[in-house]
Amino acid sequence: EPEVTQTPSHQVTQMGQEVILRCVPISNHLYFYWYRQILGQKVEFLVSFYNNEISEKSEIFDDQFSVERPDGSNFTLKIRSTKLEDSAMYFCASLLGSYNEQFFGPGTRLTVL
Amino acid sequence: AQTVTQSQPEMSVQEAETVTLSCTYDTSENNYYLFWYKQPPSRQMILVIRQEAYKQQNATENRFSVNFQKAAKSFSLKISDSQLGDTAMYFCAFMKLPQGGSEKLVFGKGTKLTVNP
Repeated sequence: EPEVTQTPSHQVTQMGQEVILRCVPISNHLYFYWYRQILGQKVEFLVSFYNNEISEKSEIFDDQFSVERPDGSNFTLKIRSTKLEDSAMYFCASLLGSYNEQFFGPGTRLTVL
Repeated sequence: AQTVTQSQPEMSVQEAETVTLSCTYDTSENNYYLFWYKQPPSRQMILVIRQEAYKQQNATENRFSVNFQKAAKSFSLKISDSQLGDTAMYFCAFMKLPQGGSEKLVFGKGTKLTVNP
């Protein structure tokens, strides 16, 4: 069964460093998302992406964040200068479009020291 | 803006018994989708069940069923014959009806369910 994959599973970085979180959505899906979950809290929407551009972004998704789909398969989330409060689980999700179920990846745990 | 409230931070149930998790939401939309996602200790989010607001019939998936009360904006999840593998965090989520595109999920804070042997 097709699935969304994410790498790495765990990323540790120093405050101020750039990180790139990678996702490979299900191959025929058209809509892509990033969510994050700070430990013990609810899952929050960050950004949605369709047709090579951002469809919607939340207040959390400020200038430090960016997304791109560089090669038609990977979908990346970049944080330019990480802060302590960026420590969280980051989930990628994809959606075919005609059936409104978002399929989630296993997540990347980001730890900012 | 839509909000989703799960008033039970933690619940426990004995194996083989039935448990109901509560969820209420607030929206001015008339058409939307509601979901229950399961997040086991592995952390992957797994869809358990979904409900279209325009459908009066409550959704059912094997041991999982919902009680959808649109007027009350309530969407509870019933798990019958609970199994140890049901131990997980359960999130209720809301999504507006997409208008030519897709919509984000709005999640509640979750209910941690423990199934005891």
